[in-house]
Amino acid sequence: AAGVIQSPRHLIKEKRETATLKCYPIPRHDTVYWYQQGPGQDPQFLISFYEKMQSDKGSIPDRFSAQQFSDYHSELNMSSLELGDSALYFCASSLRTGGNGYTFGSGTRLTVV
Amino acid sequence: AQTVTQSQPEMSVQEAETVTLSCTYDTSENNYYLFWYKQPPSRQMILVIRQEAYKQQNATENRFSVNFQKAAKSFSLKISDSQLGDTAMYFCACISNFGNEKLTFGTGTRLTIIP
Repeated sequence: AAGVIQSPRHLIKEKRETATLKCYPIPRHDTVYWYQQGPGQDPQFLISFYEKMQSDKGSIPDRFSAQQFSDYHSELNMSSLELGDSALYFCASSLRTGGNGYTFGSGTRLTVV
Repeated sequence: AQTVTQSQPEMSVQEAETVTLSCTYDTSENNYYLFWYKQPPSRQMILVIRQEAYKQQNATENRFSVNFQKAAKSFSLKISDSQLGDTAMYFCACISNFGNEKLTFGTGTRLTIIP
């Protein structure tokens, strides 16, 4: 079965640079979520989209932005990167009700040096 | 909004034994879902088991089962006949069936299966 695809798997950036993370949800899933997981921490919700519109916003810095495109893939744009942005970034998708849980991608490991 | 609490940061058990991971939650919603996710060293988040709050019967998936106590807002995970591959971080999570509510995670329990 198709899964949630995230790219790239690993990314190394320098401070103050910009990074773009991509997510391709499971076909027919209408909702995409982005989570950030720091070392030894639980995943923290950043932002979600339903039918290409932002549906909820969590602890996402102003330096970050995201969108969902007409083909339902989503991109997380991160500017002015800081060392503290180093983390694992998960994308997940689900149907609107969420009752079946999310399906997570394999994550993008971002390292800021 | 909901909160999820896991009070056991780390646990270890001998292979083939049974282990129970604890989770309590709080939500103001009547309809909600509870989940256990497993995160092995590969860091992939894998859904282990789900429970619908309106169902009294405890969910079971092979060696994994839950003890869902709605009144006490408790949702523990039991792993029977534990295997080395069960070594992972386990997160309890909750979502309300009210639109696109975000999945709220507990802080996780690191489970180590000892050969």
